Amino acid sequence: KAGVTQTPRYLIKTRGQQVTLSCSPISGHRSVSWYQQTPGQGLQFLFEYFSETQRNKGNFPGRFSGRQFSNSRSEMNVSTLELGDSALYLCASSGQGYGQETQYFGPGTRLLVL
Amino acid sequence: KQEVTQIPAALSVPEGENLVLNCSFTDSAIYNLQWFRQDPGKGLTSLLLIQSSQREQTSGRLNASLDKSSGRSTLYIAASQPGDSATYLCAVSGSGYSTLTFGKGTMLLVSP
Repeated sequence: KAGVTQTPRYLIKTRGQQVTLSCSPISGHRSVSWYQQTPGQGLQFLFEYFSETQRNKGNFPGRFSGRQFSNSRSEMNVSTLELGDSALYLCASSGQGYGQETQYFGPGTRLLVL
Repeated sequence: KQEVTQIPAALSVPEGENLVLNCSFTDSAIYNLQWFRQDPGKGLTSLLLIQSSQREQTSGRLNASLDKSSGRSTLYIAASQPGDSATYLCAVSGSGYSTLTFGKGTMLLVSP
């Protein structure tokens, strides 16, 4: 089975721009979660989608949004980028998104905001 | 609010040593605990998943234990190798869904 894929792998943007990141889960997985990783804060949960519905959300401003399509692929969008949004953005997939399941992570998208 | 702490933050050992990485969490109401490995600039690789009803899991040279009541887990790596050099992250799932709360990780360097 192919793993979780994320595109693009690297992005450079300037402050005030917006960006869209994409995540394709493992085939058959219906839950997709997004995390932000920074040196200072570590890994922080952004949101989780299941069957095209946002089921859980972390403590991030409304500039961070996401969606999930019928094929379980997910996108996250960050509007009005700030320097502090520079980070590695990771997505993870699991079958049903229940707490007992293993989470499988993609390679991440590294975003640099100048 | 769940908090996960990993000690030590960094560890350097010579090849062949057995070592223990520690993880503690503040809320014992967890569904599972997962150990991950992260190589520099890369994503996370799942190493071991321990369900809340289990006490330990083993995979090759890795053994993870869980003491839910005391809020602790350990990852034991036997006969360490240079290829084990990476950051090891512990994460707990504390809700019915898959949301993970991560520790800051232990950066391991195994020198030949």
